[in-house]
Amino acid sequence: EVQLVQSGAEVKKPGESLRISCKASGYTFATYFIHWVRQMPGKGLEWMGRIDPSDSYTNYSPSFQGHVTISADSSTSTAYLQWSSLKASDTAIYYCTSMQQMTNWFDPWGQGTLVTVSS
Amino acid sequence: QSALTQPASVSGSPGQSITISCTGPSSDVESYNLVSWYQQHPGKAPKLIIYEVTKRPSGISNRFSGSKSANTASLTISGLQAADEADYYCCTYAGRVLFGGGTKLTVL
Repeated sequence: EVQLVQSGAEVKKPGESLRISCKASGYTFATYFIHWVRQMPGKGLEWMGRIDPSDSYTNYSPSFQGHVTISADSSTSTAYLQWSSLKASDTAIYYCTSMQQMTNWFDPWGQGTLVTVSS
Repeated sequence: QSALTQPASVSGSPGQSITISCTGPSSDVESYNLVSWYQQHPGKAPKLIIYEVTKRPSGISNRFSGSKSANTASLTISGLQAADEADYYCCTYAGRVLFGGGTKLTVL
């Protein structure tokens, strides 16, 4: 069974850095792209970007380019989403989700990581 | 403002059918059969219920069906049940990823 398990909730202050994780199991890590999706409180889903774990190639939504970094460690089948300087507006739930190569749908999804940024 | 437009809310009574529309750029919706739909219950992660416009993943009830006409995709839920009350999102992935703004389904 393909499964994505995300790291736990985080509370941070503006300006702090953060890295959250998404550990994959049940399949060959390199064969699925990992995508990150943001959901702000009470709002809809926003695609942030993706990584191809086979070569670490990334691409980002213009809305998130330069503000977050997506990476992956194939040795531990884990993808990461990181910020170097958080803002209060980064408060949201962040989901990782996978997309098998040569397909175009997201399945499965991680359980989500709540990030709260407050002074 | 989402690039895919969905109604903010729909409602129906148990046993009835409802349809949620998803309208977007022709380049993303009409040109390819790459529309997927996700169900999200409160406090839960989204779940895939339809992919490639009409296909259902294993384990998804055949009460859920998808279709498309021109640049509008649709999700139909027949035989409404209380458990169907959730938010529903459409999505396209044709070179870029677009999500709809989401539709809240209320089962009366």
